[in-house]
Amino acid sequence: QKEVEQDPGPLSVPEGAIVSLNCTYSNSAFQYFMWYRQYSRKGPELLMYTYSSGNKEDGRFTAQVDKSSKYISLFIRDSQPSDSATYLCAMSLTGNQFYFGTGTSLTVIP
Amino acid sequence: SQTIHQWPATLVQPVGSPLSLECTVEGTSNPNLYWYRQAAGRGLQLLFYSVGIGQISSEVPQNLSASRPQDRQFILSSKKLLLSDSGFYLCASWGLAGAETQYFGPGTRLLVL
Repeated sequence: QKEVEQDPGPLSVPEGAIVSLNCTYSNSAFQYFMWYRQYSRKGPELLMYTYSSGNKEDGRFTAQVDKSSKYISLFIRDSQPSDSATYLCAMSLTGNQFYFGTGTSLTVIP
Repeated sequence: SQTIHQWPATLVQPVGSPLSLECTVEGTSNPNLYWYRQAAGRGLQLLFYSVGIGQISSEVPQNLSASRPQDRQFILSSKKLLLSDSGFYLCASWGLAGAETQYFGPGTRLLVL
C-alpha cells in the first residue's frame, strides 16, 4: 500500500466552480500536511501548510485535515483559469522526510 | 527571503556523457537538501537527501550520485548518462525560516538522447 494516495484526475471545471481535491494516507503518525501547486515545467509552489488536524483558510483556498479518517482536502472557491495546474499533496512525520501524492491535474475552463 | 536556485533550466545530453546539476540555497543556514526526479504521472521520486556538508543519503540505487561541498550547495552528478535518466530534476530545501515544510527550486529538465 502506498503511503499517500491521490486521484490523478484529470479534473476539468468551469470558471467559478468550487474544486475539491483529496488525498488519503496510511500512516497515522503523519503530523504535517501540505498542498503544492505546480504549473507545467515549473517547480512545485507551496500553497497551504497545516500542522495536525483542522482547517486552514487562505483567500480562496481552504485546507482540511481529518486525522481520524486519514484524509486531507483542498478546496478552491471561485476557481479561475489561472488555477489550472497540477496539485500535489504531501505529508511528513517529523519534517525531515516527505511523502508525496502523484498529483491531480486541474483545468479551469473560462 | 529564502530562494532556491537551480541550473541549468534545460539540458540535452547524449547517452554516455557526464552530468552536473547544481542547486544553491539563499536565506538560510544548515538546511536539509533534497534531490527529486519527477516523471509524468508518477509523482516525485526522492533520489538523495543531505542533512549537512559531506553527508549524503541515497534512497534508490541508480546511475546518479550527489555531493554537498558547502552548506548551501547541492550537486547531482553522473559519470555516464543513460536514456532512463531523462526527467525533471527538482532540488528542495527544508528548514527555511524554521517552517516544517519543503520549498522547491524551479527544476532542471534533462533530456538524454
